[in-house]
Amino acid sequence: YELTQTPSISVSPGQTVTITCSGARLGDTYACWYQQKPGQSPALVIYLDSKRPSGIPERFSGSSSGNTATLTISGAQTMDEAEYFCQAWDRGTAIFGGGTKLTVL
Amino acid sequence: LQLEESGPGLVKPSETLSLSCTVSGASISSSDSYWAWIRQSPGKGLEWIGSIYFSGATYYNPSLQSRRTVSIDWSKNQVSLKVTSVTAADTAIYYCVRHYAYSQLSRDWFDPWGPGILVTVSS
Repeated sequence: YELTQTPSISVSPGQTVTITCSGARLGDTYACWYQQKPGQSPALVIYLDSKRPSGIPERFSGSSSGNTATLTISGAQTMDEAEYFCQAWDRGTAIFGGGTKLTVL
Repeated sequence: LQLEESGPGLVKPSETLSLSCTVSGASISSSDSYWAWIRQSPGKGLEWIGSIYFSGATYYNPSLQSRRTVSIDWSKNQVSLKVTSVTAADTAIYYCVRHYAYSQLSRDWFDPWGPGILVTVSS
């Protein structure tokens, strides 16, 4: 079972960026999103498809429809440049997407 | 809540990789938490290895088959990972992570993550 993400996206500061994650059974479960900056551990930015942990800016939002989960950054900032991973559970196993490297410049 | 991994950074092929994770700022017996190991390698991205509850109940990723064991030491507030018969494919950064148990696995998430420890398998 796989979660598929676009390998890389490049946007200008202030633009809205959407990062998608698709999986054959994603509609049967919930998606999480993690942000990983170079040299750092991943950090949770979205859980239960659309919930934002405390401390995560409001410009980060999540949604899910059918077998696709989406992370949206409204007004991307240079500090948002990172790799983003989706994650979901499938039959008792946590699965991660391959990651999307976001460049903001 | 903080997690910190420790252990050898270099393991020889065919030997056993052994790591510990010290949990501070929370009890390892918290009813809403599992404690997980996740690894990250350039070739395979992020890979969940397994999670353990304070009761000792475990969930494992079948990809490592029976080579991995996650255990818990309540007296030290520590979680441990062992991977036997390692090969170069086991070279990765290993993270200790809190696995938040919301209500059922499909809703759970991982937060926070420890800083990670790089383990290289080489002779």
